[in-house]
Amino acid sequence: RKEVEQDPGPFNVPEGATVAFNCTYSNSASQSFFWYRQDCRKEPKLLMSVYSSGNEDGRFTAQLNRASQYISLLIRDSKLSDSATYLCVVITTGRRALTFGSGTRLQVQP
Amino acid sequence: EPEVTQTPSHQVTQMGQEVILRCVPISNHLYFYWYRQILGQKVEFLVSFYNNEISEKSEIFDDQFSVERPDGSNFTLKIRSTKLEDSAMYFCASSEPTVGDSLYEQYFGPGTRLTVT
Repeated sequence: RKEVEQDPGPFNVPEGATVAFNCTYSNSASQSFFWYRQDCRKEPKLLMSVYSSGNEDGRFTAQLNRASQYISLLIRDSKLSDSATYLCVVITTGRRALTFGSGTRLQVQP
Repeated sequence: EPEVTQTPSHQVTQMGQEVILRCVPISNHLYFYWYRQILGQKVEFLVSFYNNEISEKSEIFDDQFSVERPDGSNFTLKIRSTKLEDSAMYFCASSEPTVGDSLYEQYFGPGTRLTVT
């Protein structure tokens, strides 16, 4: 079983739509969670950390369900510039190495 | 806004040659990392470095790889004898030390694309 699993997509949505991505992780000792975005052939860029109580940053909302080992990212009012691959990332307790999912590709269309 | 920088942006080398990839982490960061991403695949952890020593490494980081902080600003990854399968994008990252906080946010450089022929 993969450590971090994501639906690869692509998700094709119109501008202004709301879109949600899900991610599951297999290691119950995972302690820190992040969403990164990656544009084609570019570096991963930190989008947001995911807190246990859930958190929001503008149009982006992240949720964590430790019992189900599940993380989500909601993007409201999608913009063309949101088109990218969204990477779910976890860190296991006692480590600093980031474990990446394979990413979910989002294409926002005009 | 401070950022991680990497040189070169693209390196082409022949199989069996040694390569050194260079990184300048964000200046007040104390943890440094190397990751790689083979084309079309996910980002994979190679090694982390703190206080002038390796703190963690993956199975990928075998004896042909080494890291060094030769001075106060640079952080390097050396591949001694490159193989075709070493062709990938290599990303350097850095993070601040955190005390009493479980969130270790890492910031990535733009990467070095290594092509082994």
